[in-house]
Parts: sequence; structure tokens; C-alpha cells
Amino acid sequence: ETGVTQSPTHLIKTRGQQVTLRCSSQSGHNTVSWYQQALGQGPQFIFQYYREEENGRGNFPPRFSGLQFPNYSSELNVNALELDDSALYLCASSLVPDSYYEQYFGPGTRLTVT
Amino acid sequence: AQTVTQSQPEMSVQEAETVTLSCTYDTSENNYYLFWYKQPPSRQMILVIRQEAYKQQNATENRFSVNFQKAAKSFSLKISDSQLGDTAMYFCAFVNPGSGNTGKLIFGQGTTLQVKP
Repeated sequence: ETGVTQSPTHLIKTRGQQVTLRCSSQSGHNTVSWYQQALGQGPQFIFQYYREEENGRGNFPPRFSGLQFPNYSSELNVNALELDDSALYLCASSLVPDSYYEQYFGPGTRLTVT
Repeated sequence: AQTVTQSQPEMSVQEAETVTLSCTYDTSENNYYLFWYKQPPSRQMILVIRQEAYKQQNATENRFSVNFQKAAKSFSLKISDSQLGDTAMYFCAFVNPGSGNTGKLIFGQGTTLQVKP
């Protein structure tokens, strides 16, 4: 069984640029959620994708967008980067509705915006 | 709004001893799930234990157990026989599987646990 993987591990971008983060779900999972974790804080829900459609969104502006592909992998895109976007971005996959809403996390992508 | 509160930013325990991490939550829902996640310094979040709100029996996973008090909206984690590998940040999390919601997790602020040799 393959776990959740994310790429890249680290990324440095300049304010105003755009970035794409990638996530591969755990095998057999059909749902992907993205979270933003500021240093020393708990993760904050960005959005979730279920069967390739957005299914719930947190309090994040539209410049945060995503995709889910037929193989259930996913991308998080952030446009017009701001300094406050610097954080650890976590991807989590789950099997809905079977798995009691347990989410399995990837190692994260550390994004630094300068 | 649904919230999760962890009031202990940092805790420490001696190896082999027992420690309890606290968590309270606020919701008007009756059906929900609670989780404890562990995030070691390597940063990958790992699920430790799960509790379904409709179950009165407290969940247990080896050295990890919870004290779930639904009326008090309290969900504490007890770690017995603490090991050095338990050193990590621990997050309490809540999900309400309501209509159209396939699992937005709401996290607390986290408790950093240091296990000392």
C-alpha cells in the first residue's frame, strides 16, 4: 500500500508569483483535502476534492484553487503569492464514506514566499 | 462555529511515565468524530486514535487511550509508558460528517510533548 506523497518538499517563491503543489493519494482513496499549517499552529482546511469536484472550502480566497485527477491525485495552485502564504501545505487522502472520515497525511510542502 | 481548543501549549514527561493531553471542543451537532494526530519533528502527521461520538466506550490503541466526555465536550489523550519516540506535536481534531461534508477536519492549536530520558 502506497502512502500519500507530496512534491516538492521545499519551495521558495517571490511575492506575486504563482505556485503549484502536487499530491498523490494513498492507493484506494477517493478524496483529497488540502490544509495550510503556519509555523507552530494547527492545520487550517483549504478545500477538499471528491470525485474530481470541489466538495467544501475553508476561509481561503479564490487565488487558492485546486484540481483532482481521475487517478485521485491532486494539485493545489496559489496565484499572486503573498508573504502570509508562507507555510507548510499538507495534503490528506481518505476513502469516503467507508473510512470513518480518517484522513492520512503526506509529508507536506514547505513554501517560503520572499 | 465549531472549534477545538488545546489549552496546554507544551508538556513534558519522563520516559515510562504516563501523560494526559487535554482537548475541548464546541459543536451543536450530535454526530461527529474526534481524532488525535501526532506530528513528529519530521512533520508527517500520523493518526493516533479515533473516537466516534455515538460510542460511549473510550477508544484504546495500545499505549494510547482517550477519555471522551460527550456532555462536557472533552476529549483527552492518555499516553502510558511514554517512549522517546512519542516526542511530537499532538493535535486534537474534529469532523462533523453532516450533509455534503466528506470530512473537513478542524484542528486544535496543538500540544508539544517532550519525553525526557
